[in-house]
Amino acid sequence: AQSVAQPEDQVNVAEGNPLTVKCTYSVSGNPYLFWYVQYPNRGLQFLLKYITGDNLVKGSYGFEAEFNKSQTSFHLKKPSALVSDSALYFCAVRDYLSARQLTFGSGTQLTVLP
Amino acid sequence: DAGVTQSPTHLIKTRGQQVTLRCSPKSGHDTVSWYQQALGQGPQFIFQYYEEEERQRGNFPDRFSGHQFPNYSSELNVNALLLGDSALYLCASSPPVSGYTDTQYFGPGTRLTVL
Repeated sequence: AQSVAQPEDQVNVAEGNPLTVKCTYSVSGNPYLFWYVQYPNRGLQFLLKYITGDNLVKGSYGFEAEFNKSQTSFHLKKPSALVSDSALYFCAVRDYLSARQLTFGSGTQLTVLP
Repeated sequence: DAGVTQSPTHLIKTRGQQVTLRCSPKSGHDTVSWYQQALGQGPQFIFQYYEEEERQRGNFPDRFSGHQFPNYSSELNVNALLLGDSALYLCASSPPVSGYTDTQYFGPGTRLTVL
C-alpha cells in the first residue's frame, strides 16, 4: 500500500530565509507526487507535481520541489519565504496501482515569522 | 472560469441522521472525487465518480454513498451519522481522460458537525 510521511508537524522560518517542508513516500510502482497548500477554512490549492523527467519541479508562487528516487523523498522548497506563505502544506502520492486516489500525508504547518 | 464549488459551507446534524453534500466540478472536468479530512489529519479518499458510476472506493463503509449527474455534478450521502463523521468533506474534480498523472482541483469543502 502506498503511504506518505511528513516528519515535521510544524516548521518555523524567518521571512526572507529559505524554507523546506519534508516529504517521504512509499509506493509499489513509479510515484506521481503532488504538493497542496491549505489556508484556514479553505480547500486544498494545488502547488506542483512530479510525473517524470527533471527531478526539480517548479510550481506556483515561487515554490519548487526536488524528487529524489534513492531517498524516496519529495521535499518542498522556496528560496525566500513570505509571511503570506504561512499555511498547512500537504504532500500526496499516487501510483499506477492506486490510479485514481491520492494518498496524503498528515500535513506540515508552516509559520513564517516577520 | 469557475472552480470547484461545494454546498453547503457548514452543516450541523445529530447522530443517526442522514446528510447530503453537493459538488459542482471545475468547468471542463468530468471526474469527481470525494475526500474526508478529520481535524488535524490529511484528506482520506472516499470514492471517485466518472460517467455517473463509482469508479474507485477507499476504505469507507457503505453508509457513505454517492451519485454523479449527467452534468458531472455530484452528491455525497452519509447515512446513520456517527460522531466520528464530523469532518471537512472535500470534493475534487479532474479533467477528461483522467489517469494517475492528472491534477485534482479541490473545492472549499463542507464542514460537517455531528452532535
